[in-house]
Amino acid sequence: SQQGEEDPQALSIQEGENATMNCSYKTSINNLQWYRQNSGRGLVHLILIRSNEREKHSGRLRVTLDTSKKSSSLLITASRAADTASYFCATALNDYKLSFGAGTTVTVRA
Amino acid sequence: DAGVTQSPTHLIKTRGQQVTLRCSPKSGHDTVSWYQQALGQGPQFIFQYYEEEERQRGNFPDRFSGHQFPNYSSELNVNALLLGDSALYLCASSPRGGYTDTQYFGPGTRLTVL
Repeated sequence: SQQGEEDPQALSIQEGENATMNCSYKTSINNLQWYRQNSGRGLVHLILIRSNEREKHSGRLRVTLDTSKKSSSLLITASRAADTASYFCATALNDYKLSFGAGTTVTVRA
Repeated sequence: DAGVTQSPTHLIKTRGQQVTLRCSPKSGHDTVSWYQQALGQGPQFIFQYYEEEERQRGNFPDRFSGHQFPNYSSELNVNALLLGDSALYLCASSPRGGYTDTQYFGPGTRLTVL
C-alpha cells in the first residue's frame, strides 16, 4: 500500500496562476520529498523537507509540512506551460526506500 | 556529468519470458534502487542495492531479482513474466549509502508484456 496520497488527482489552471496540491501520509517520517514527472518518463527531484522543518522554498516552489496532521502541500507560483506534469510526494521512513503516492496531474493552459 | 542511464528504453516480451534491465548510476553514487510504476500509479519500491548486496526489498515476489556490480551499475531481472508486469521500471541512484537521501532517477525502461 502507498504511504502518501496526493489531492487533488488532477488540476487544470491558467498560465500565471498558482497551483496547490496536498499530500497526506500515514506514519511518522524522516523526510518528505516532492518529484515531478513529465509524460511518463523519469522523475525529477524538486524539494526535500525534513521532519523537523515546517516550510521550504525553492524558486517558484513552496513546500509546507505539518507532522501533527501528517500532511504536506506543494505550491507552484506563477505557473508556466512547462509546469505541466505529474507531481508526486514521497515519504522516507527510517529506512532506505521512498513510498510514493499516486500523484497529481497538473495541466497549465496557455 | 552523466546522470542515471537505463537500457533499453522500451522492451516488448511475451508471458513466461525473462527480461533483464540495466542501470548505470550517477557518477559518485554507490546505491541503486529499483521502482515499478504501473500506468496511472506512483512508483513502487522493488529493492535497493548497496555494496553489491540487496539491502531492502519491497513487496515483490522472488521472480524479481537483481544484481549490483563493482562499478555500482545494476541489473533488474524478472522471470516468468506476467501481463501485470507491464510497467515503467525506474532506476534511482543516491550517494553515501542512500539512507533516504534525494534519489536521482533515470528515464526508465517501458516494459510491455503481451
